Amino acid sequence: GQQVMQIPQYQHVQEGEDFTTYCNSSTTLSNIQWYKQRPGGHPVFLIQLVKSGEVKKQKRLTFQFGEAKKNSSLHITATQTTDVGTYFCAGDAGGTSYGKLTFGQGTILTVHP
Amino acid sequence: DAGVIQSPRHEVTEMGQEVTLRCKPISGHDYLFWYRQTMMRGLELLIYFNNNVPIDDSGMPEDRFSAKMPNASFSTLKIQPSEPRDSAVYFCASRTGTIYNEQFFGPGTRLTVL
Repeated sequence: GQQVMQIPQYQHVQEGEDFTTYCNSSTTLSNIQWYKQRPGGHPVFLIQLVKSGEVKKQKRLTFQFGEAKKNSSLHITATQTTDVGTYFCAGDAGGTSYGKLTFGQGTILTVHP
Repeated sequence: DAGVIQSPRHEVTEMGQEVTLRCKPISGHDYLFWYRQTMMRGLELLIYFNNNVPIDDSGMPEDRFSAKMPNASFSTLKIQPSEPRDSAVYFCASRTGTIYNEQFFGPGTRLTVL
């Protein structure tokens, strides 16, 4: 079945440093979504990428979708303590499994003030 | 809207007991998903429904797990009999049927089986 790999598993940064997490799917995706889960909380949707090579920005967050629609990345510029949490990518293979997301293992981000 | 509602928020039970987790999706959402989250296995999709019909239950670990959606506003996930390895956080999520739409997660039920 479809697999979504995400690295790194953990990332510790000093406040103000940048952070990047990478996501790779075993199959071509229809779209990819990113979620953030704060400690003790539930996953919350951040963004969706649909087009090959798409780049989207949300303030200090930049999301990219690869040309082959099999990989993606999330980059945070100048991290803040409010960025702490686990970041998940989730791939939708589309077709007969439309709407079904396969989540990566997540990257746990800690930010030291 | 109150968002996705799950109950109970915490459940502690003994091995062998039946456990029922409940979910009320956001009104108007056509899809409902049940996930299980553990440190070892991450966030796993157990089953999902479209318009109250189970579409894919390939993630249900074994026959001890069952899920129902009797109407558009209610779903249950039942574990009978429960085992310690079922201890996890169980999330329910819902979304509309519109193409390319995000999932809205409930607060989760933290299940501990002793």
